[in-house]
Amino acid sequence: DTEVTQTPKHLVMGMTNKKSLKCEQHMGHRAMYWYKQKAKKPPELMFVYSYEKLSINESVPSRFSPECPNSSLLNLHLHALQPEDSALYLCASSQAGGPSGYNEQFFGPGTRLTVL
Amino acid sequence: KNQVEQSPQSLIILEGKNCTLQCNYTVSPFSNLRWYKQDTGRGPVSLTIMTFSENTKSNGRYTATLDADTKQSSLHITASQLSDSASYICVVSANSGYSTLTFGKGTMLLVSP
Repeated sequence: DTEVTQTPKHLVMGMTNKKSLKCEQHMGHRAMYWYKQKAKKPPELMFVYSYEKLSINESVPSRFSPECPNSSLLNLHLHALQPEDSALYLCASSQAGGPSGYNEQFFGPGTRLTVL
Repeated sequence: KNQVEQSPQSLIILEGKNCTLQCNYTVSPFSNLRWYKQDTGRGPVSLTIMTFSENTKSNGRYTATLDADTKQSSLHITASQLSDSASYICVVSANSGYSTLTFGKGTMLLVSP
C-alpha cells in the first residue's frame, strides 16, 4: 500500500467552527507532514512529525493544531480560522530521517478547505 | 537563500507533440532533485528522483536530466497525451533534515487535442 489518504476531500467552515482534517498512511513511514498550498503556488511546509513527536512547526498560527495519535495517523485541528486560510491542505509521509537521499515523500490528495 | 526557478510558467502543446520543461536551482548543500506532477486540486505525484551523480532518469514517457555543475534540470515529455495536462513541479532537497525541500512554482502544461 503506497497511498496516503486524506479526509474530507472538501470542507467548508465558518470562522467560529471547529473542524479536523485527517491523514492516514500504512507504509510504515515514521515522518509525516502537513503542507498548505494556495492556488498556483507551491506547497508550504507547516508541521513535521517524526516518530509521533512534533519536530518542526514553521511558525504556524495557533488556530492550527496538529496531532499525531499513532504512527499511521495525522490530524490537523482547526479553530477560529480566517478566510485567508482557505487553501488545499496536503499531508505527506516519508521514511524517518526526512526527504533527503531517496526518502521519497508521498503526498495525499489533499483537503480543499474554504473558510467563510 | 535556496531557490528553484522553473520555466516556462505555462505551456500549451498539441496532443502527440514533445515538450521540455526547465528547472534552475540554487540549493546548497544539494541532495537530490525531484519532478512531481500535480493535477489541479490533487496532491503531487513523484515522477523522478535524481542525485548529483545521475545525469538522466526515465519514467515511461517522462525523461529527466540533471546537470549538477550548472544546477539545471529538465523534464522531457514524449508523445504528449491529454492526461499529461497538469502542473509539473521541480523540488530540490538539501542534505538531511525534514524541512529541506525547496519547491519551484511549477509549469502549467495544457495538452490540447
